[in-house]
Amino acid sequence: DAGVIQSPRHEVTEMGQEVTLRCKPISGHDYLFWYRQTMMRGLELLIYFNNNVPIDDSGMPEDRFSAKMPNASFSTLKIQPSEPRDSAVYFCASSSTVANYNEQFFGPGTRLTVL
Amino acid sequence: GNSVTQMEGPVTLSEEAFLTINCTYTATGYPSLFWYVQYPGEGLQLLLKATKADDKGSNKGFEATYRKETTSFHLEKGSVQVSDSAVYFCALKDSNYQLIWGAGTKLIIKP
Repeated sequence: DAGVIQSPRHEVTEMGQEVTLRCKPISGHDYLFWYRQTMMRGLELLIYFNNNVPIDDSGMPEDRFSAKMPNASFSTLKIQPSEPRDSAVYFCASSSTVANYNEQFFGPGTRLTVL
Repeated sequence: GNSVTQMEGPVTLSEEAFLTINCTYTATGYPSLFWYVQYPGEGLQLLLKATKADDKGSNKGFEATYRKETTSFHLEKGSVQVSDSAVYFCALKDSNYQLIWGAGTKLIIKP
């Protein structure tokens, strides 16, 4: 298995632009998590899905952030409009309730820089 | 609510030194406990886990024992290497399948 795939690996954009981050979870996993990591705030859970349904989005910082999971093999995290304080590394992770005792498998992350 | 507290870093050691990174937790019930490691430029990966009291998780020379009486899950290694330099995260799994994360501890090993 290729593991969790995220794209792009790096994104540089200007303030006000729309940013879309993409994630392909491990096949067969039924949970998908989006995290944000910064030096100041550490690792933050933004939202997670179970069987493509959003379960808890209380970590989404504000309405500029939205996430979708249209099918079991794809999810997006969108920021519109982006701001410099959104600069961070965004991780996607997936897990299975029937295998690996819910171990979360992380993707390599997307490093976002908003100028 | 559930929470995890880790010792602050960075922790700087010489090669072959003994390592301890402290982790304590607050939780209702009997959560599963985890240590994840993040190498520079990479995502987090599971290092070891323990699912019940007195369990010992181990991997790559690292060990941690689930101590219910002290609500702790300290990470130890007898002889660290330069390649162990990374950020280490302690976490617990709550009933909602989320992981509750510690702040992370940066480990620097000098040759």
